Amino acid sequence: EAGVAQSPRYKIIEKRQSVAFWCNPISGHATLYWYQQILGQGPKLLIQFQNNGVVDDSQLPKDRFSAERLKGVDSTLKIQPAKLEDSAVYLCASTNRAGRQETQYFGPGTRLLVL
Amino acid sequence: AQKVTQAQTEISVVEKEDVTLDCVYETRDTTYYLFWYKQPPSGELVFLIRRNSFDEQNEISGRYSWNFQKSTSSFNFTITASQVVDSAVYFCALRENSGYSTLTFGKGTMLLVSP
Repeated sequence: EAGVAQSPRYKIIEKRQSVAFWCNPISGHATLYWYQQILGQGPKLLIQFQNNGVVDDSQLPKDRFSAERLKGVDSTLKIQPAKLEDSAVYLCASTNRAGRQETQYFGPGTRLLVL
Repeated sequence: AQKVTQAQTEISVVEKEDVTLDCVYETRDTTYYLFWYKQPPSGELVFLIRRNSFDEQNEISGRYSWNFQKSTSSFNFTITASQVVDSAVYFCALRENSGYSTLTFGKGTMLLVSP
């Protein structure tokens, strides 16, 4: 079974530019998460989708971050415009059900450096 | 509010030594879920174990073992006869069963196993 796929793996941009990350969850997984992991810290949830609907985006900085999952499968996370403090690894995870006990399976992440 | 503390920032051992990674959590819920993940240099978070709060049995999987103690709110992870391939950052995480709960990670413990 293929795991969670993410692209690109690395991205370097200048501040105020825009960037987008893509995630393809494990086949059949209805719940998808985006996390931000700053160096030296654990991942922090940005947004959770159940199919194509948003369940939790309370920690998403909505003035610059946006995410969508139009067909309930792939998802895109966008930052516009980027700030220096957005430098981090962006991780995508998925589960096949939405329950809190469900194990989240993570992709390899996208490492973003904002100069 | 839920919280996970991994007091050990970095541990260095020599191959074949045993090592224990500490995890202390805080929650007001009686039902919750604990997880351990491994993050090798490649960046992907690899799921290791999930423990439900109502199941206090300790678990052993090969060289890995977990000691869950509700009385001290701890969920420690021991690697027996460590190997160089065990070098990674290890994260403990908690998710409560009630309220508006998300998966909360500790800051991680970096384990370096030298030959």
